[in-house]
Amino acid sequence: DAGVTQSPTHLIKTRGQQVTLRCSPKSGHDTVSWYQQALGQGPQFIFQYYEEEERQRGNFPDRFSGHQFPNYSSELNVNALLLGDSALYLCASSLVGTAWAYEQYFGPGTRLTVT
Amino acid sequence: DQQVKQNSPSLSVQEGRISILNCDYTNSMFDYFLWYKKYPAEGPTFLISISSIKDKNEDGRFTVFLNKSAKHLSLHIVPSQPGDSAVYFCAATINFGNEKLTFGTGTRLTIIP
Repeated sequence: DAGVTQSPTHLIKTRGQQVTLRCSPKSGHDTVSWYQQALGQGPQFIFQYYEEEERQRGNFPDRFSGHQFPNYSSELNVNALLLGDSALYLCASSLVGTAWAYEQYFGPGTRLTVT
Repeated sequence: DQQVKQNSPSLSVQEGRISILNCDYTNSMFDYFLWYKKYPAEGPTFLISISSIKDKNEDGRFTVFLNKSAKHLSLHIVPSQPGDSAVYFCAATINFGNEKLTFGTGTRLTIIP
C-alpha cells in the first residue's frame, strides 16, 4: 500500500520564478492538505483540497495556489517566488468524514530553496 | 500569533526512563489534539491524539494528558527507547470535520543509551 508520495524531492529556484510541486495521496484517501515548514518551525497550513475544490485556506497570499485532479492527486503552485518561500513543503492526505480524518498521513516533503 | 507552543526546543532522556514533552495552547476553541513524530528526511507520522472531552489517552508506551483549564497537554513516553529519538510536534484543530492542523514548533527528543 503506497503512502503519500511527493515530487520532486529537492528543488532550487530563483526569486521571481514559479514552481509546481506534486503530491499523490495514500491509496483510498480523498483529501489533500499542503503545509509549509520553515527551518526551526512547525508545519503551517496552506490549504486543503477535497472533490477538486479548495476547501480551506490558511494565512498565505494568493501567490500560493493549488489544484486537485479526479484521481485525488494534487499540485501546489507558487508564483513570484521570494527568498522567504524557501522551506520544506509537506503534503498530507486523509479520508474526509471519518473518525481518523485528523490523523493525516504526510509525505516526505519537497525541499524548496529560493536563491 | 503562535497558538500552539512547545517551549522546550530539545530534551535529552536516559534510555528506560520517562520522557515528558509539553505543549501549551492559547485558542480555547481547539477541541482535538494530536502528537506527531518526525524523523529526518521523512514526513511527520501520527502518534497519538486526544479529544477535549477526555483528559487522558493511552496507546502502549505513549500517554497523552490534557488539562483544559490550563490549556496544557503533555506526552509521556515510558520506557524511552533509542528509536524514540526524533522531533515531536504537538498539533491542534477546531471543530470535528475540520482537518486544518495548527502545529507547535517541535521538541527534539534525544534518548541516551
